[in-house]
Amino acid sequence: DIQMTQSPSTLSASVGDRVTITCRASQNFSDWLAWYQQMAGKAPKLLIYKASTLQGGVPSRFSGSGSGSEFTLTINGLRPNDFATYYCQQYEQSPYTFGQGTKLEIK
Amino acid sequence: QVQLVQSGSELQKPGASVNVSCKASGSPFNRYALNWVRQAPGQGLEWMGWINTNTGKPTYAQDFRERFVFSLDTSVSTAYLQISSLKAEDSGIYFCAGGLGAPSLWGQGSLVTVSS
Repeated sequence: DIQMTQSPSTLSASVGDRVTITCRASQNFSDWLAWYQQMAGKAPKLLIYKASTLQGGVPSRFSGSGSGSEFTLTINGLRPNDFATYYCQQYEQSPYTFGQGTKLEIK
Repeated sequence: QVQLVQSGSELQKPGASVNVSCKASGSPFNRYALNWVRQAPGQGLEWMGWINTNTGKPTYAQDFRERFVFSLDTSVSTAYLQISSLKAEDSGIYFCAGGLGAPSLWGQGSLVTVSS
């Protein structure tokens, strides 16, 4: 199985900041990597798929990059409703494993 | 508007069974893969597997190959998750999620609580 490890587990930032979350895989794979945002008590929302393609309706301040075994999610100009938990997921090889999540908190 | 609507909360005793439903509306049911994802209380997301809505073939992650069954009723555009011989550690929110590749369409989640 491909294990996904996110860092950091918790990230404190302020409105307007630029933040980066990293997702490392236990083995190289293609770019079948997605990022999700989950607000408390809600279903996850797909932000980015295929490592860097923005899902329709998602603001352009979200971006994804990476290849091989290291991927990043960057959020430019944090807004108040960006404070949530973020997950990566590889969907290259079954089981389609998630990272453990990164909680983005207000500083 | 395309959406997945799940069944409501369930409180069951250990050893019982539960069925969670996931009804699709606004889109042909056989257009995407239908995933199931579990979130234990206070924990992260765990991919359970998926079912091919064209063929009905399920694929399970290792931890969900016993006691968990994915099924479909295409006549009512509904997918089902059945969990048998419930244990306390099965408690959590179960999400259905559909999409071609990364799932873009998620149900609201169904809370299953297993307690005596």
